[in-house]
This record gives sequence, structure tokens and C-alpha cells, in this order.
Amino acid sequence: ETGVTQTPRHLVMGMTNKKSLKCEQHLGHNAMYWYKQSAKKPLELMFVYNFKEQTENNSVPSRFSPECPNSSHLFLHLHTLQPEDSALYLCASSQDFLAGNNEQFFGPGTRLTVL
Amino acid sequence: GDSVTQMEGPVTLSEEAFLTINCTYTATGYPSLFWYVQYPGEGLQLLLKATKADDKGSNKGFEATYRKETTSFHLEKGSVQVSDSAVYFCALKSGGSSNTGKLIFGQGTTLQVKP
Repeated sequence: ETGVTQTPRHLVMGMTNKKSLKCEQHLGHNAMYWYKQSAKKPLELMFVYNFKEQTENNSVPSRFSPECPNSSHLFLHLHTLQPEDSALYLCASSQDFLAGNNEQFFGPGTRLTVL
Repeated sequence: GDSVTQMEGPVTLSEEAFLTINCTYTATGYPSLFWYVQYPGEGLQLLLKATKADDKGSNKGFEATYRKETTSFHLEKGSVQVSDSAVYFCALKSGGSSNTGKLIFGQGTTLQVKP
């Protein structure tokens, strides 16, 4: 595998379910990101981990819980979601969150549908 | 706060037509500017970037020039192909002492190229 991979690619869940999204980067980067992409809205940055430490949490509801066990893996644990949480969830990585031009590499995303 | 504004889409062109997608920004300091592209069913890919005023980023026939006087970073291509059909995102990262590490994205512009 190369680049940034995400699993699953598609997920349908009920509002009472608990599920997790997984992201893995094979680029040797130190920063990882979760974004939410909804129709007709700009990408929303949700969380940032830099060197395994959470540096950003953009007022994300507690029903979304990130976990970063090492620099290569990032999870997003989901529980008690709402239908408005249905979106494409994108993972990205970069060399360092604060680095000069900070090119971010994105995974293909997980299409989440909450029923 | 910092922001990016893109022209609304969709933009529909015939093959070999000239493309311009407008992008303007508001930022403190000296931001770096980016164009990302998202092909159907995929994550975002960096298309080109510019890190200081008057720089021109270019890739795959696309170009954009960092214009500080007009706070713009318009994307252009002289002759589009059907394979260029995608969503294009303009983004900035604040520089210097204003650097928060975050990429700020525009809302995206959908390009459809017809044969």
C-alpha cells in the first residue's frame, strides 16, 4: 500500500450503532487529520494530531472520538450519530502540522450514511 | 479570520476550451496558496501551489499566479480535456506569525468537460 488508505470506503449505520473509521498513512509523516466533507459546504477540519498529540479539536461533538495510537494510524470512533452527520470523511497526513507549506496528502474517504 | 472564496459552479466547458476558476482570499500575514483537485470517488490531490507573491504554480497544464495586490490565485488551463472533470478547491495556509498550521479551503468548484 502507498499513500493514505482509509477503511471502510462506505459505511451505513443506525443512530444507536458504534463504529470506527480507520486511516493509515505509508508516507512517514508526523501529522494526521480528519476532515468532514458535506455537500455544498467547504471542507471542515475536525481533528489534528501532530507527533501523536492532539493539537486541534474544532468544536466537534463528543459523539466523534479520535484516536491516534502512532504516527501511521488514525481512528475516528463514532457513536450515537445523527442523520446530519452523513458525509464523506477524509483523512490526510503531512510531514508536520506547522511546517512551512505543509502539503497534505489525502485518502479516498469513507462515505458515511446515518439512518 | 482567514477565508477563501471561489466562483460557484458547476462550470461546463467543451473539450479544448480555456478554463478559468476564480479564487480570492482574505488572510493576515503572507499565506501559502494551493489548488487541490478531487476526481470522482477519490480524495483530494495537490494540483499546484505558490508560497509568495508573484510566484506561479503549474502542473499538468494548469497554472495559477499568486497576486498579492488583488488577493487572488485564479486557476487557468489553456485547453481542457474530458479527464479534467473534477472538483477544484482553492486553499490557503497562513504564514509567519499567523501560522496556525491549518489549511483553509474554499467551497470547491465543479468542472464538467464535454466531448
